[in-house]
Amino acid sequence: DSGVTQTPKHLITATGQRVTLRCSPRSGDLSVYWYQQSLDQGLQFLIQYYNGEERAKGNILERFSAQQFPDLHSELNLSSLELGDSALYFCASSVTQGGGELFFGEGSRLTVL
Amino acid sequence: AQKVTQAQTEISVVEKEDVTLDCVYETRDTTYYLFWYKQPPSGELVFLIRRNSFDEQNEISGRYSWNFQKSTSSFNFTITASQVVDSAVYFCALRPFQGGNTPLVFGKGTRLSVIA
Repeated sequence: DSGVTQTPKHLITATGQRVTLRCSPRSGDLSVYWYQQSLDQGLQFLIQYYNGEERAKGNILERFSAQQFPDLHSELNLSSLELGDSALYFCASSVTQGGGELFFGEGSRLTVL
Repeated sequence: AQKVTQAQTEISVVEKEDVTLDCVYETRDTTYYLFWYKQPPSGELVFLIRRNSFDEQNEISGRYSWNFQKSTSSFNFTITASQVVDSAVYFCALRPFQGGNTPLVFGKGTRLSVIA
């Protein structure tokens, strides 16, 4: 158990819909990262937050947004969903400084029909 | 730019064979960290090891060993006497140290199948 909690584990929805994925980082970790894993693109970095502020942005679509709340949990919002958004979405957290490892949650598997 | 290449897409071995997973990275940073993660069929990403760019000592942990060679920008992973439970996708990753808290850049992974 990595200590990172993601909900829901599985989600099935239709094209055009909007979903919210939730992540609770490990206790004490201020950084949260979101990754998307699809079959053809591998593990793609989406966005990073540190103590409530956006710190880095990767290949995140404009239809996607995220935020980190004062209690440090984070939400990834995916809107106007398309079939190609079907993927496994991971949240990870890390210690505040240095090059420590990222601890990943079990992922949220999104299926868009 | 940061890049990690895992040239082996899939490897299949018979149980008890040794297997090496290759990882080559590119970075302009002088300080960086390298990682290996395991993704078993259940889907979670499990951290295996972290090395920093100043420590080229090889590391052994049970049946696992890692060979870091800065001269060739490689960080290879060897499993000795493989077991069926080693079947998974293995990812190599790079994390540049640019003041800390940078994201990991992953390779595309190597799918290892160990056959009984």
